[in-house]
Amino acid sequence: QQPVQSPQAVILREGEDAVINCSSSKALYSVHWYRQKHGEAPVFLMILLKGGEQKGHDKISASFNEKKQQSSLYLTASQLSYSGTYFCGTVTGGGNKLTFGTGTQLKVEL
Amino acid sequence: KAGVTQTPRYLIKTRGQQVTLSCSPISGHRSVSWYQQTPGQGLQFLFEYFSETQRNKGNFPGRFSGRQFSNSRSEMNVSTLELGDSALYLCASSSQGESVETQYFGPGTRLLVL
Repeated sequence: QQPVQSPQAVILREGEDAVINCSSSKALYSVHWYRQKHGEAPVFLMILLKGGEQKGHDKISASFNEKKQQSSLYLTASQLSYSGTYFCGTVTGGGNKLTFGTGTQLKVEL
Repeated sequence: KAGVTQTPRYLIKTRGQQVTLSCSPISGHRSVSWYQQTPGQGLQFLFEYFSETQRNKGNFPGRFSGRQFSNSRSEMNVSTLELGDSALYLCASSSQGESVETQYFGPGTRLLVL
């Protein structure tokens, strides 16, 4: 079952904040966040493991609510370079098979 | 360390033909996964190889197959190509293929089936 991402698309002014959500109907082992720019490969952002931890680097952070089987990606003080499509990938069983969400298109404008 | 490399980067084939795509993982990585990306279906898991064995498989027809060599390099093959196989094919590598590991993606092979 594909995780559901929301919103599908968002437009921000530079400096604004955004939250992208990822919900799964299955119990999660881990959640992986990627950003993909047009014509390029997905680039790893961070991985969240069971335990409800929050991780982050620079102005991008994420949380993992194991009870709700949800993860949220937080982008603060957005920059033009944040533009792209954000995907969450979930691992719900053994191994590392990633099931990706439908993606969230984020555009940051001046 | 060099990243994941994929060859060729672009391919044009006609319906009914077959194609082989290649992926070289990051040095030391033993797990290679393949994904298909299309505008309509998004990123979908094809299969994963670890130590030359297929460990996981997605919901794709038998026309899609793969293998992994002793040096961890992997190939995927699509036989009897259909128009719907036009997509970006991405491979990703990780060290041991465990759920807690990061998967690093290659640049992809863009396949166009005419």
